[in-house]
Amino acid sequence: EAGVTQFPSHSVIEKGQTVTLRCDPISGHDNLYWYRRVMGKEIKFLLHFVKESKQDESGMPNNRFLAERTGGTYSTLKVQPAELEDSGVYFCASSQDYADSYNEQFFGPGTRLTVL
Amino acid sequence: GQSLEQPSEVTAVEGAIVQINCTYQTSGFYGLSWYQQHDGGAPTFLSYNALDGLEETGRFSSFLSRSDSYGYLLLQELQMKDSASYFCAVREVDSSYKLIFGSGTRLLVRP
Repeated sequence: EAGVTQFPSHSVIEKGQTVTLRCDPISGHDNLYWYRRVMGKEIKFLLHFVKESKQDESGMPNNRFLAERTGGTYSTLKVQPAELEDSGVYFCASSQDYADSYNEQFFGPGTRLTVL
Repeated sequence: GQSLEQPSEVTAVEGAIVQINCTYQTSGFYGLSWYQQHDGGAPTFLSYNALDGLEETGRFSSFLSRSDSYGYLLLQELQMKDSASYFCAVREVDSSYKLIFGSGTRLLVRP
């Protein structure tokens, strides 16, 4: 079974440009998450989709970030316009919809974004 | 809100045992998870403690004490391939499944 995949693996852009990151979750996983790790700090939650609906977007830093999950399959995260502080590694994760308290999340390898 | 503290770096020799601690401040959570991340790779789930006590999975064990707001990951018979970053994480007691991560501990295993 294929794991979570992300594209691109690396992206280098200039301040003010737009970048779109893509995540393909594990097939059948209704839950999709975006996280970010900036400058070796902790991995921080950005948002959570359940199918195509945004369940929790409390971690989105500002309105320059837009996430979509049309059709409830893959998701995109667009940063427009990018700022220097947006540099970091963006991780996507997915999980099945368990009714209990445990919900293992499977992570992709991340997209390393560098804003110059 | 939640905050989880971990040592930034730990060094150990091959074959040894190492313990990575995680202390936390939280208003409520379901359990403590541990993830491993090799450089450039995906964070990978290692273990989960829903209840107090020790969980063992091969060379890795994880411990949780809710009364002490403390947990740890124990790695035995260290191998060079264990060199990686290790993160503790909790899931808040609310409707969201989001994980709150610690800052990560970089483990360096030396020959």
